[in-house]
Amino acid sequence: EAQVTQNPRYLITVTGKKLTVTCSQNMNHEYMSWYRQDPGLGLRQIYYSMNVEVTDKGDVPEGYKVSRKEKRNFPLILESPSPNQTSLYFCASSLSWVDTEAFFGQGTRLTVV
Amino acid sequence: AQSVTQLGSHVSVSEGALVLLRCNYSSSVPPYLFWYVQYPNQGLQLLLKYTSAATLVKGINGFEAEFKKSETSFHLTKPSAHMSDAAEYFCAVSDRSNFGNEKLTFGTGTRLTIIP
Repeated sequence: EAQVTQNPRYLITVTGKKLTVTCSQNMNHEYMSWYRQDPGLGLRQIYYSMNVEVTDKGDVPEGYKVSRKEKRNFPLILESPSPNQTSLYFCASSLSWVDTEAFFGQGTRLTVV
Repeated sequence: AQSVTQLGSHVSVSEGALVLLRCNYSSSVPPYLFWYVQYPNQGLQLLLKYTSAATLVKGINGFEAEFKKSETSFHLTKPSAHMSDAAEYFCAVSDRSNFGNEKLTFGTGTRLTIIP
């Protein structure tokens, strides 16, 4: 079954404690992206990747890091989380961002206290 | 730069009534347009997409949308609402104006409530 898998689904952490949210896809997609969803703001892109070792900033990259060492995995790293990073995070993958369907993970609800 | 505007963050309709969710886009080149749906506690899934073929696009679950270039709109409709349609709906746009840096830009979403 084609899917994008994120882990964990729920996470509560404290300010400053480094964390990683994993994302894996089994569709051999080149394009992967991370979004955060906040009430009234919709989905905003954090980082995206167009292939292995090719990543770039999205609209709200501050406080986040990513890596793309393998085609299937695209982890999101918060080196020093802060309360304003409390949000719902989604990973997505696609053959192309232009005219093909993007597949989304189930989401990770992160709370930073 | 591309963008989408969704009018109405919340829409309520009675079961069996017409559903109309509005989306207007801005793009410097012919756009590709999408509607995604998010059910509670789930990720987004594609409802339908417009990629410059027919202007009236049919999607899953009885939804359809019409691309109107003169109005820069891509409104989502369903003739008869069902309780299972309650969800959040996102309009999204992409284009090739930044070759090699393509991106998918989402609207702020419309939460659809169905009244029994």
